[in-house]
Amino acid sequence: QLQLQESGSSLVKPSQTLSLACRVSGVSINSGGYSWSWIRQPSGRGLEWIGHISHSGNTYYNPSLKGRVTISGDRYKTQLSLKVTSASAADTAVYYCASLRHGKNNHDRFDYWGQGARVTVSS
Amino acid sequence: DIQMTQSPSSLSASVGDRVTITCQASQDISDYLNWYQQKPGKAPKLVIFDASNLEAGVSSRFSGSGFGTDFSFTINGLQPEDIATYYCQHYDNLVMYTFGQGTKVEIK
Repeated sequence: QLQLQESGSSLVKPSQTLSLACRVSGVSINSGGYSWSWIRQPSGRGLEWIGHISHSGNTYYNPSLKGRVTISGDRYKTQLSLKVTSASAADTAVYYCASLRHGKNNHDRFDYWGQGARVTVSS
Repeated sequence: DIQMTQSPSSLSASVGDRVTITCQASQDISDYLNWYQQKPGKAPKLVIFDASNLEAGVSSRFSGSGFGTDFSFTINGLQPEDIATYYCQHYDNLVMYTFGQGTKVEIK
C-alpha cells in the first residue's frame, strides 16, 4: 500500500525559505508510471497544484509561483522535498504531497495523498 | 489557459437525495477530468477519474459523466458520510493541473 507522510517547519518567517519533506513508502519514487506532486490549500480555500517530479527526475512547476519553487528527490528514492523561497503570508497553507498516476494518453490523476502539513508564514 | 467553472459552490440536501455537481471547461478537454472528495480536516480523496471511472474501493453511489466541456458528478442516495467538499480537476498538455473552486455538500 502506497503511503505518503509530510514533515517540516510549521512556522516560517517572511522572506525565508519554506521547506517540507514527504516520505514515500510502498514504492520507490523512481518507479515508472508515477510522478510525485506537491499541492497546497490555503485555509478555507481551494486546491492549487505546485509542481511535481517525475520518476526520472524531471520537474514541472506551476508558473504562478514564478520560479520560487524547487522540488527534488533524495538519493535513496524514498523522499521528496519542497522548497519555496521568499515566503510571504500568501504561502500560508496546508501542503500535501500526492502521487500522480500517469494513465494512457496522459490521463493523469492524484491517487494517493499524505495527511498534509500546515505551514504558517508569519514574523 | 483552460478555466474550470464548478457549480454550485454549496448545496444542502436530505439523506437519500440525488445530488448533482457540474464542472464546465472553457474549451474542449475530452475526458481529462477527475473528481475528488475532501472531508473536513482531511486530505482529498480520488473518487472519479477520466470523467466516468469509479476509483477502486469507492462507493457505487458516486458516478461521473460528461465529455468535451460539460461534466457532472452525482451522488445517488446522499448519506451522512458524504458530507464533504467536492472538487473537479483537469490536466492540460502544457503540464498544468487545475482544480475547480469546490462544492460544499451539507445535509439539510
